[in-house]
Amino acid sequence: GAVVSQHPSRVICKSGTSVKIECRSLDFQATTMFWYRQFPKKSLMLMATSNEGSKATYEQGVEKDKFLINHASLTLSTLTVTSAHPEDSSFYICSARDSTGGGPQHFGDGTRLSIL
Amino acid sequence: SQKIEQNSEALNIQEGKTATLTCNYTNYSPAYLQWYRQDPGRGPVFLLLIRENEKEKRKERLKVTFDTTLKQSLFHITASQPADSATYLCALDNSSASKIIFGSGTRLSIRP
Repeated sequence: GAVVSQHPSRVICKSGTSVKIECRSLDFQATTMFWYRQFPKKSLMLMATSNEGSKATYEQGVEKDKFLINHASLTLSTLTVTSAHPEDSSFYICSARDSTGGGPQHFGDGTRLSIL
Repeated sequence: SQKIEQNSEALNIQEGKTATLTCNYTNYSPAYLQWYRQDPGRGPVFLLLIRENEKEKRKERLKVTFDTTLKQSLFHITASQPADSATYLCALDNSSASKIIFGSGTRLSIRP
């Protein structure tokens, strides 16, 4: 089956640090990758949609300068949380789709980000 | 605005019984409806997809129904087991938007 690898699984760092999270599709080419944020006992909140080679589309209220997304290839997307602060602490999850329209999303196992 | 509601935040049932989870939506015309399972600290895992022109879909002990008139989907797990305990998310996809909207999930607990 389609596998998405997300790394790192956990990050603890000081306020002001920038943190990069990688999302890779291991056995398929992802036409589209998605980045979500999830608060405890809440649903997935879509942050942005990224297509390979083009700028990411951010959801309303998500700061594009704060959450930098790069989708350099059909198998890799990165999310960089710049100058992270405690309020950025959350569970970040990526997903990838191997088809347009109707296909399921394949999720990574998430990154638990804790900013001290 | 578009809204998806999973009626129960939590559901507790006895092992062996059928678990039924509900997903309702408003202001949306999905072409597809999907169900995912999420375990604590993990990413969601895709379970089933049903199209707008399908009434029912089955996979092993899972059954999904999709009523576009009622704007509702039901997700059933028959002969439930403690290992089925997890949060279940419904998700709507209208295909053209290229993104999926998720419900808030139902936390299912199966007691032995």
